[in-house]
Amino acid sequence: GQNIDQPTEMTATEGAIVQINCTYQTSGFNGLFWYQQHAGEAPTFLSYNVLDGLEEKGRFSSFLSRSKGYSYLLLKELQMKDSASYLCAVRDQNGANNLFFGTGTRLTVIP
Amino acid sequence: KAGVTQTPRYLIKTRGQQVTLSCSPISGHRSVSWYQQTPGQGLQFLFEYFSETQRNKGNFPGRFSGRQFSNSRSEMNVSTLELGDSALYLCASSRDSANYGYTFGSGTRLTVV
Repeated sequence: GQNIDQPTEMTATEGAIVQINCTYQTSGFNGLFWYQQHAGEAPTFLSYNVLDGLEEKGRFSSFLSRSKGYSYLLLKELQMKDSASYLCAVRDQNGANNLFFGTGTRLTVIP
Repeated sequence: KAGVTQTPRYLIKTRGQQVTLSCSPISGHRSVSWYQQTPGQGLQFLFEYFSETQRNKGNFPGRFSGRQFSNSRSEMNVSTLELGDSALYLCASSRDSANYGYTFGSGTRLTVV
């Protein structure tokens, strides 16, 4: 089966840096996604990694290590609006559009 | 451009009834995927349609079905509703491969009583 693990909750301070980890065990691998979901809203796409290494996009960066089945999402210069759930998802097949999601990490940013 | 539109936003149904949910993808997107989101399980894949054909299917019972029309709009149907079907049902569209991420709709909140 597919198993995606991430912490349930995290709290961080405004202006700080936070790292949200995700580990996965899947039958195949063809990309890892991070989504942000504010309460009561649709998930929005943040990043996609298919090769090892770091992808940087503004205040957000995502890292992947395929050999370790590990990824993290790094959020810098935290803002109050970053309080949301962050979802890690893995695609296990090339060309497939079905993603396996973790249960999400609820991040609370405090002043 | 318009986003992914799901209707209705909220539904209350009784056990044993059936329900049909609708999703209109972004113009030009031919792939539509459906997910069920519950607090305990997170997002779980139901099925994906591409060019009117079911391309992938998750591990849900046969009570859950779907279809896609020639204009890429999609519907999903749940028959013989159970209390455990109460969830947020999300639809997501992409051009083909979701390498640059799906675009999700705001979802339909289904409550079964």
